[in-house]
Amino acid sequence: QKEVEQDPGPLSVPEGAIVSLNCTYSNSAFQYFMWYRQYSRKGPELLMYTYSSGNKEDGRFTAQVDKSSKYISLFIRDSQPSDSATYLCAMNRGFKTIFGAGTRLFVKA
Amino acid sequence: DAGVTQSPTHLIKTRGQHVTLRCSPISGHKSVSWYQQVLGQGPQFIFQYYEKEERGRGNFPDRFSARQFPNYSSELNVNALLLGDSALYLCASSSDGQETQYFGPGTRLLVL
Repeated sequence: QKEVEQDPGPLSVPEGAIVSLNCTYSNSAFQYFMWYRQYSRKGPELLMYTYSSGNKEDGRFTAQVDKSSKYISLFIRDSQPSDSATYLCAMNRGFKTIFGAGTRLFVKA
Repeated sequence: DAGVTQSPTHLIKTRGQHVTLRCSPISGHKSVSWYQQVLGQGPQFIFQYYEKEERGRGNFPDRFSARQFPNYSSELNVNALLLGDSALYLCASSSDGQETQYFGPGTRLLVL
């Protein structure tokens, strides 16, 4: 079993839709939880970062962490074609960061 | 302020050769981590260096090695290249290695 599980998609939604992206994890030692966005042939770009259970909002993005269920989510409101990318969840324990496989998102105009 | 920079951007090598990839972290960051990303997968942790010392290593063979210099830049070396080493190699920097990491654009390595 992988430490971090993420559905690779692809996920296709119309412009303006609310997008929900999710990851589950098995190791309760993870301390920090991140979401990265990666455009094709580019390096990952940090979107959201949190270390506690609950919600964190930044513009159209909301990150949600549920440590009791070992489940994290990223919500994107009013999705735009420019949001089309691969979204990677990541979790950190000490020096080591573990990434999910990434979910490919397509937002259709 | 410049972000993480990596060189070269692309590289083509043949099996058995050696390659050196370079990374300069964000100014003020003392930690550099290296990742390998194969197409369709998330980045896989290779090494982390902090203050010129190796802090951790992922599940990669001894053909992979790295070092960090006094100016906190870093090199990743891969010996005896295999076809399966073809990937995007990412460098990430952070202030102390335990919190958020910021990635460079990567070096795309193709082994023929």
